[in-house]
Amino acid sequence: DTAVSQTPKYLVTQMGNDKSIKCEQNLGHDTMYWYKQDSKKFLKIMFSYNNKELIINETVPNRFSPKSPDKAHLNLHINSLELGDSAVYFCASSQGGWGADTGELFFGEGSRLTVL
Amino acid sequence: GQQVMQIPQYQHVQEGEDFTTYCNSSTTLSNIQWYKQRPGGHPVFLIQLVKSGEVKKQKRLTFQFGEAKKNSSLHITATQTTDVGTYFCRGSGGSYIPTFGRGTSLIVHP
Repeated sequence: DTAVSQTPKYLVTQMGNDKSIKCEQNLGHDTMYWYKQDSKKFLKIMFSYNNKELIINETVPNRFSPKSPDKAHLNLHINSLELGDSAVYFCASSQGGWGADTGELFFGEGSRLTVL
Repeated sequence: GQQVMQIPQYQHVQEGEDFTTYCNSSTTLSNIQWYKQRPGGHPVFLIQLVKSGEVKKQKRLTFQFGEAKKNSSLHITATQTTDVGTYFCRGSGGSYIPTFGRGTSLIVHP
């Protein structure tokens, strides 16, 4: 059983299209995240949800819209894709949030998005 | 906001040599975590350090947390080809969002 699973694993699409990536965790965690990893390997946090409530929303274009239907799922929808959106997108979950209560992150296998 | 600087960005070693990566924070941290990402893979949690001056070992890996809780290091003794990957620190402190360092990519030459 995969703890954090995300689909699809690969996405190749044209500029201007809309795409979605789905994520599910079966660990019973309260907090879920979306990270973007660029070609230089930098892991940049995009969003975080705690019990379906948005708690982190970094400076991400509003073409990116997360949705959490329940605490086990966090999906990412991207409108009007641009070349610069090409990256690997990782979903992650943790039991804790941050501060002294930071939990370890469990990552999905990643979704590699290529925008042509 | 909180920044976590990690150096070096890349490190080439011959198999059997030692390797160290360092993280420094602009603010005092509550804790620091370390992750390893194999090429083509996803980051995997290695360890969390919480106490000032803490040292933890996992086989050939030694993790340290500075006395001021602003810096940390990961040291690998006698590297093997299985150690290849990118090592990330992730610092948490106060009300700041936990932040990853930029990672150190370890390349081991047989």
